[in-house]
Amino acid sequence: SQTIHQWPATLVQPVGSPLSLECTVEGTSNPNLYWYRQAAGRGLQLLFYSVGIGQISSEVPQNLSASRPQDRQFILSSKKLLLSDSGFYLCAWKGGGGTEAFFGQGTRLTVV
Amino acid sequence: TQLLEQSPQFLSIQEGENLTVYCNSSSVFSSLQWYRQEPGEGPVLLVTVVTGGEVKKLKRLTFQFGDARKDSSLHITAAQPGDTGLYLCAGDSPYNFNKFYFGSGTKLNVKP
Repeated sequence: SQTIHQWPATLVQPVGSPLSLECTVEGTSNPNLYWYRQAAGRGLQLLFYSVGIGQISSEVPQNLSASRPQDRQFILSSKKLLLSDSGFYLCAWKGGGGTEAFFGQGTRLTVV
Repeated sequence: TQLLEQSPQFLSIQEGENLTVYCNSSSVFSSLQWYRQEPGEGPVLLVTVVTGGEVKKLKRLTFQFGDARKDSSLHITAAQPGDTGLYLCAGDSPYNFNKFYFGSGTKLNVKP
């Protein structure tokens, strides 16, 4: 069966520090991978998606970047965090069109 | 501009009441999905609707896909406190099936 791991679960970082959130998927190959950010009680904002190794599409201009160094690994990074980067970050994988998206447990990032 | 707009944004009702949540778009979708999310966790799929006019039932939950495939609704009969959560509609972008978007979310609170 497929599983998705996302870590860390919570993170408190000072403004200006770097960020690296990692997501790995097991039990499937060549998945579409996604990073979302969610404000409290609101919908998920698509940040990045990837259809293959090294292929990254950015949805909104921001202080963040993403990379996919391996087929089942997706990384969200920042060189210098801003206060506005605080939020709940979710990684997801998905197959083709119309298929279900599976999510990691999320990372609660607080920038102080 | 949100591709998928949900209404209402918040809903607080008493146990036993009925409710309907709406998901609307100006674009045609090949399919729409409904997810439910608990605080601090990733969304979990409830249903996928594919055919215009389709109605699917999941116990006390009834999902409908609009005839034109631009909107969907979720109706809950006799709501229970266990139904409390964030309800999200989602779909593959009509313009790029690799982009998977979520609606703005409806936060439901069912009081005992």
